[in-house]
Parts: sequence; C-alpha cells; structure tokens
Amino acid sequence: SAVISQKPSRDICQRGTSLTIQCQVDSQVTMMFWYRQQPGQSLTLIATANQGSEATYESGFVIDKFPISRPNLTFSTLTVSNMSPEDSSIYLCSVKGQKDGYTFGSGTRLTVV
Amino acid sequence: LAKTTQPISMDSYEGQEVNITCSHNNIATNDYITWYQQFPSQGPRFIIQGYKTKVTNEVASLFIPADRKSSTLSLPRVSLSDTAVYYCLVVRGTNAGKSTFGDGTTLTVKP
Repeated sequence: SAVISQKPSRDICQRGTSLTIQCQVDSQVTMMFWYRQQPGQSLTLIATANQGSEATYESGFVIDKFPISRPNLTFSTLTVSNMSPEDSSIYLCSVKGQKDGYTFGSGTRLTVV
Repeated sequence: LAKTTQPISMDSYEGQEVNITCSHNNIATNDYITWYQQFPSQGPRFIIQGYKTKVTNEVASLFIPADRKSSTLSLPRVSLSDTAVYYCLVVRGTNAGKSTFGDGTTLTVKP
C-alpha cells in the first residue's frame, strides 16, 4: 500500500492566520482526498484533489477557506485560511489503493487560539 | 454512496471474539465494503475489504450476506491493544472516488 508523509503533525496557530498542510505520497495517484476530524467525531470529507484540475469540494466547504493545490501526482497541500477556533481539528489526507482500501496520512492536529 | 450504520460502542474482554456489524442498505452493485481501525491521534488504518461471502486475513474476517445490505467484522481473540474506533466504509468500485465515513464503533477491550 502507499505510504503518505503528512506535515506538520501538529500546530498551534493564531486566529486570522493561515496554515498549509502538505501530503507526499510515495507513488503516483490520480486522486487525493482531504478529511477533517473534529474531536470525538468521525471523518468528514473536505474535498477531492485531482492533478491538473481544480479540487472538488463537498457541501459546506469552499475553496476560499480551504484552497488546495495538486501540482503533481504525488503531492498535495491543503490550506486552512483565516482560521478561527472552530477550525481546530485533525486534518488528514488520503489516497485510494488498488486492493487495500484507503491509506491515510498520520494527520495534522490543528489548534487555533 | 451507501450510508452506513454501526453501533456506537461495544465492550469486550481480552481473548473474546468480537463481531461488529455494519448496515448499508443502499449498497450498489459495484460497491464493496472496507473496514478501518483508528487509534487516538492516528489516521485510520485499513483492516479488510470484501464484496460478498467471507474474506479472511491475518487480523480479521469479514462476513457479507448474499443481499450485501450488511457486513460483520470479526476480530478473533481481542487484546487490550484492539481498543480503538472501527469504521465500515462502502467504496464505489468503478473509478473509485470519494467515500463517506459513518460514525464508527468504539470498541473497548477490558482485562
């Protein structure tokens, strides 16, 4: 299965600032997925990042707030913009394997103060 | 994509077999079922996947009845380290794209 390197693993940020999260995959993948997991809750899909096209956002998530880049088939970034305490969550990237389901990064624990 | 329903929590004791059932009534012909384990402060980890009948690997078994509207993850002889949240996830088989996580089942294994 793919190996995903996600960073930073955690950060504490001031409200109003932005944080960019990076995910590097050790193989080429068509789609990468970005999730948010709020404390004690399940994962919510933010968007699907395709190389060479704009990301597809789920209901409740907008590009201005969560801009995504996908410059090549092994890398993607998610930016959390103009942060507020409500954005405090774990953010995870994911890719789909052929025979072993989805592989997830280790997550970025974001705290906004 | 099929919405999944699981028990919110389950308790077990070390050495017991644990069965966690997931309901996915609206599963489509091309969909298959996957299960994940998540520990605190980690991303979910793939456990097993199947389309129908029974699948077994080194850590778990997955039972899927003929109508495929539910599935059961079976963990043999659980240990304390199996305490985690378990998610079932229905995946679209063709040009697999996004999938929607349900609420998961928190399994607590007691000594």
